[in-house]
Amino acid sequence: QKEVEQDPGPLSVPEGAIVSLNCTYSNSAFQYFMWYRQYSRKGPELLMYTYSSGNKEDGRFTAQVDKSSKYISLFIRDSQPSDSATYLCALISGGYQKVTFGTGTKLQVIP
Amino acid sequence: DGGITQSPKYLFRKEGQNVTLSCEQNLNHDAMYWYRQDPGQGLRLIYYSQIVNDFQKGDIAEGYSVSREKKESFPLTVTSAQKNPTAFYLCATRATSTDTQYFGPGTRLTVL
Repeated sequence: QKEVEQDPGPLSVPEGAIVSLNCTYSNSAFQYFMWYRQYSRKGPELLMYTYSSGNKEDGRFTAQVDKSSKYISLFIRDSQPSDSATYLCALISGGYQKVTFGTGTKLQVIP
Repeated sequence: DGGITQSPKYLFRKEGQNVTLSCEQNLNHDAMYWYRQDPGQGLRLIYYSQIVNDFQKGDIAEGYSVSREKKESFPLTVTSAQKNPTAFYLCATRATSTDTQYFGPGTRLTVL
């Protein structure tokens, strides 16, 4: 079983839709959670970072963490064609031993 | 990727050749990382360095080598011992005061 599971997609949605991207994990040692956005043939760009259960909002993006269920989500409101990219979750264990990345979900927002 | 440069953007290698990928940063970050990205496998850690003149193997170090002679630079050499080197290589940095990593634009290596 992989430490982090992420549906690869692709996920296609119409412009303006609410998008939900998810990762599940098995190791309760993970304490810090990040979401990266990666456009084709580019390096990942940090979108959100959180370390506590609950919601964190930044503009159209909301990161949600449920440590009891070992489940993290990224919500995108009013999705735009420019949001079309691959979204990677990244998890860090306490003491910063290393970062474990999900395989990424490819999102396509259709105008 | 501002502050982190990787060169070249595309690199072609013949079998049996060693090639070196460059990573330079002006963010004054202490820690630097090399990842390999393959379709469907996410990012896998090759090597990392937390201070100058020190580095550690990651999960897939075989066939790779690194050096960290300067804080700003962390070059990765892909040797002929790496059997399947075709991939997208990403360099990242981290300030020790934070937990977040920042990535460069990547180098796409293709073996001919």
